[in-house]
Amino acid sequence: EPEVTQTPSHQVTQMGQEVILRCVPISNHLYFYWYRQILGQKVEFLVSFYNNEISEKSEIFDDQFSVERPDGSNFTLKIRSTKLEDSAMYFCASKTDRMYNEQFFGPGTRLTVL
Amino acid sequence: DQQVKQNSPSLSVQEGRISILNCDYTNSMFDYFLWYKKYPAEGPTFLISISSIKDKNEDGRFTVFLNKSAKHLSLHIVPSQPGDSAVYFCAAFSQGAQKLVFGQGTRLTINP
Repeated sequence: EPEVTQTPSHQVTQMGQEVILRCVPISNHLYFYWYRQILGQKVEFLVSFYNNEISEKSEIFDDQFSVERPDGSNFTLKIRSTKLEDSAMYFCASKTDRMYNEQFFGPGTRLTVL
Repeated sequence: DQQVKQNSPSLSVQEGRISILNCDYTNSMFDYFLWYKKYPAEGPTFLISISSIKDKNEDGRFTVFLNKSAKHLSLHIVPSQPGDSAVYFCAAFSQGAQKLVFGQGTRLTINP
């Protein structure tokens, strides 16, 4: 069964460093998302991406964040200058099209900012 | 932002009995609701969903009920099995936006 994959599973970085989290969505899916979950808190929406552009973003997704689909398969989240409060699980999700509402999630990347 | 609330952080149920997980929402623009199951160190796994035009959707041991007037939905698992032990998230979606809004989750433990 097709699944969303994410790399790395765990990323440790120093505050102020740039990180890139990678995702490979399910191949025939058209909508892509990033969510995050800070330890003990809700899963929160960060950004949605469709047709090579951001379709919606939350207030969390400030200028330090960017997303890209550099080729036909990868979907990346970049954090330019990490802060301690960026430590969280980051989940990538995808879905087939606008009329289909079920989003399928990857296993997540645990980001630890020291 | 408490648009989706799961008021029970945990629930313990005997194997073979019914598990009922509850979820309340405040935003009347939500028109689609989903339940996800999450094991530690894994991503949320889609379980079952319901459109706001329905009041019930069933898939095997899992049934979701929606009460639009009360802005309440529930997930019934019957019979409960040890493998059902996980954190269950309720999520809501509106066609005008593309994001899922999640509840805080309920940790379900099935006791043998």
